[in-house]
Amino acid sequence: NAGVIQTPRHKVTGKGQEATLWCEPISGHSAVFWYRQTIVQGLEFLTYFRNQAPIDDSGMPKERFSAQMPNQSHSTLKIQSTQPQDSAVYLCASSLGGEQYFGPGTRLTVL
Amino acid sequence: GEQVEQLPSILRVQEGSSASINCSYEDSASNYFPWYKQEPGENPKLIIDIRSNMERKQIQELIVLLDKKAKRFSLHITDTQPGDSAMYFCAASDASSSFSKLVFGQGTSLSVVP
Repeated sequence: NAGVIQTPRHKVTGKGQEATLWCEPISGHSAVFWYRQTIVQGLEFLTYFRNQAPIDDSGMPKERFSAQMPNQSHSTLKIQSTQPQDSAVYLCASSLGGEQYFGPGTRLTVL
Repeated sequence: GEQVEQLPSILRVQEGSSASINCSYEDSASNYFPWYKQEPGENPKLIIDIRSNMERKQIQELIVLLDKKAKRFSLHITDTQPGDSAMYFCAASDASSSFSKLVFGQGTSLSVVP
């Protein structure tokens, strides 16, 4: 079991560019969660999917952020027109029910 | 929505002693309380959790206590070792539907010194 896979591990973008982050959940897990981690804000929930359907996006910034889960094997988080305040580690977690297991994260740096 | 407060933010203990981290939550609907350990540059790893139908759970040197009336839960690490040095996060969720977002505390940086 490879665990949750996230790519890329590091991404550097210029202000105003687009960033797409990928997550492959643990095989058989039916829920995928996205969180963001910064020193100041800590670990913040963004959005989650269950059986590929969006369930709760209450943590997503209303502009520029979107997430999709086109199939059971991957989810994407897209940030349009990135801003320096978007710099963070974006963590994906998958769950079969209850326990959530995190991937290694994508460190996004917006210059 | 749910808010979780975690204290202390920094904890330094002698090797072999116990370390305690305390969390409180606001939403009485929360019924699942996991603890994560995060080492520098690594992802958070689930180390122990407790559900609201329990008051105490122990896995080896880790003990979790839950007081639902006071809306508090705590992690106790007995016989600490240098390898226990890391960030620790508590979290709470309403897992009544089996799937629910986690709301995290701000974290505790634990240092175990020889």
